[in-house]
Amino acid sequence: GEDVEQSLFLSVREGDSSVINCTYTDSSSTYLYWYKQEPGAGLQLLTYIFSNMDMKQDQRLTVLLNKKDKHLSLRIADTQTGDSAIYFCAETPNSGGGADGLTFGKGTHLIIQP
Amino acid sequence: DTAVSQTPKYLVTQMGNDKSIKCEQNLGHDTMYWYKQDSKKFLKIMFSYNNKELIINETVPNRFSPKSPDKAHLNLHINSLELGDSAVYFCATTSGQGAREQYFGPGTRLTVT
Repeated sequence: GEDVEQSLFLSVREGDSSVINCTYTDSSSTYLYWYKQEPGAGLQLLTYIFSNMDMKQDQRLTVLLNKKDKHLSLRIADTQTGDSAIYFCAETPNSGGGADGLTFGKGTHLIIQP
Repeated sequence: DTAVSQTPKYLVTQMGNDKSIKCEQNLGHDTMYWYKQDSKKFLKIMFSYNNKELIINETVPNRFSPKSPDKAHLNLHINSLELGDSAVYFCATTSGQGAREQYFGPGTRLTVT
């Protein structure tokens, strides 16, 4: 079955870059996502990448996809205290019907040190 | 206007009771989902509805029944609540077109005592 793996914790200093990694097993994965969840809040879609892309950049966020190794990463430049949250990697296959649910990793808790 | 809303935000109830959680979206999306997030923050899909048809039904006990009265609503009814049902339940929607972003509601925290 599908599986998405992430490290559970990442600690970085304020101002440094954070790199959150994710690996997945489903070779039919078409869309890969990063969601952010702050304490007590819902899930915020940060960014996504289509599987025929290698990289996507959006302001402080850079997503890298290595499809051969089934590895996805999220880099947050100039990490701020407001970036403290759980970051979920997720994937979905493309069945064409648009009804596929997301398979989530267990989430990476990003901890910011002053 | 909130794109995806859920009611109630918090629900505390006793074992054995029956309860419903409601979800509404004003995005005009075709597909809606229910996800469960447990106490360890693990998220798993439970159901999806596309044009009022159940598409996915993962290994979820049949005490859980999704009901979609119309395209904008997907409610989750739970019978005979158990302690293990305590979790945060998230509704999500997607248009099924283009990039297929899924937008999540704020969640309903269910506590079964």
